[in-house]
Amino acid sequence: DGGITQSPKYLFRKEGQNVTLSCEQNLNHDAMYWYRQDPGQGLRLIYYSQIVNDFQKGDIAEGYSVSREKKESFPLTVTSAQKNPTAFYLCASTKVIATNEKLFFGSGTQLSVL
Amino acid sequence: GDSVTQMEGPVTLSEEAFLTINCTYTATGYPSLFWYVQYPGEGLQLLLKATKADDKGSNKGFEATYRKETTSFHLEKGSVQVSDSAVYFCALFDYKLSFGAGTTVTVRA
Repeated sequence: DGGITQSPKYLFRKEGQNVTLSCEQNLNHDAMYWYRQDPGQGLRLIYYSQIVNDFQKGDIAEGYSVSREKKESFPLTVTSAQKNPTAFYLCASTKVIATNEKLFFGSGTQLSVL
Repeated sequence: GDSVTQMEGPVTLSEEAFLTINCTYTATGYPSLFWYVQYPGEGLQLLLKATKADDKGSNKGFEATYRKETTSFHLEKGSVQVSDSAVYFCALFDYKLSFGAGTTVTVRA
């Protein structure tokens, strides 16, 4: 079955540590996104990528980094510069960036600080 | 920039009650509008969408009409069930999806 797989489901970060969240899709989608979800604030866009080897900052990119070396994969690294990393992180993809394309979401990763 | 404002929750209803979640938007162009639903512990799923003014999106008994004159896209369901308990997000799409803050809905038997 086609879909988006995020791993791990739960992740803990120690102070000063970088952690990487995995996102893999087998939908042959060109565009991929990372969102951060905080209670009462909805979803905020961290980074997005329209094609391989290209990505753009979203609304809250500071303290995060991404790569897009393969079409199927869009890992997100939460760096030690992100001072408030505890949140639910959602990866999404769509075939192309178009006005009426729906996003497919993964099941999310809950990141917590030890 | 483009933005979405939706009514704050939480909303608690009894089964078979009528549900309305208000959503208004601000956009410079003519965005597509969406409602997404998130069940506990899961990612988001598309519930319905509308791509132009006066379009009505519908799915699973939910409806929303794209009202350009009032810049609104309110979600409605005539008779809710316990299984409708979830967080509902209004969103608009320009080159990226912009989400509202989400409204938590709890339906009691």
